[in-house]
Amino acid sequence: KAGVTQTPRYLIKTRGQQVTLSCSPISGHRSVSWYQQTPGQGLQFLFEYFSETQRNKGNFPGRFSGRQFSNSRSEMNVSTLELGDSALYLCASRRAQTPYEQYFGPGTRLTVT
Amino acid sequence: GENVEQHPSTLSVQEGDSAVIKCTYSDSASNYFPWYKQELGKRPQLIIDIRSNVGEKKDQRIAVTLNKTAKHFSLHITETQPEDSAVYFCAASARNNAGNMLTFGGGTRLMVKP
Repeated sequence: KAGVTQTPRYLIKTRGQQVTLSCSPISGHRSVSWYQQTPGQGLQFLFEYFSETQRNKGNFPGRFSGRQFSNSRSEMNVSTLELGDSALYLCASRRAQTPYEQYFGPGTRLTVT
Repeated sequence: GENVEQHPSTLSVQEGDSAVIKCTYSDSASNYFPWYKQELGKRPQLIIDIRSNVGEKKDQRIAVTLNKTAKHFSLHITETQPEDSAVYFCAASARNNAGNMLTFGGGTRLMVKP
């Protein structure tokens, strides 16, 4: 079974621009979560989607948004990029919302200049 | 919300020794505790997990223990090998009205010296 995939893997953007990242979960997984990973802050939860609905949201500004499609693929968008948004963005999928195992994608490395 | 603290932040051991990483959590409703290993430049990988109805779980050289009363859980790696060198993250999941979400500890960088 194919694992979680993310595109693109690397991205360089300029301050003020916006960016869209994509995540395809493991087949049959309906829940997708997004995390921001930075050296100083570790793994910070952004949001979780299940059945096209946002079920949980972390403590991030409204510039960070996401959505999930009917095939469970998910996108996250960051508008008005800031230098501090440079990070590795990881998505993770799991079968359902009960505490099943969660599997991570390879991440998208975003650099904001 | 849930808060997970992880100690130590760095751990250096000699090959063959044991390594122990400890985490504490704040929400007594948490009922699922996974551990992830992240090698340099790679994705976090689930290595072991434990649910609140179990006190200990083993898988070859790794084991996790859970003390619900004290709200802490630990990862034990025996007979460490250089390939165990990585950053390890603990996490806790508590069910809220919207479902479950994982809260991660800050990570432990384990270095195994050959």
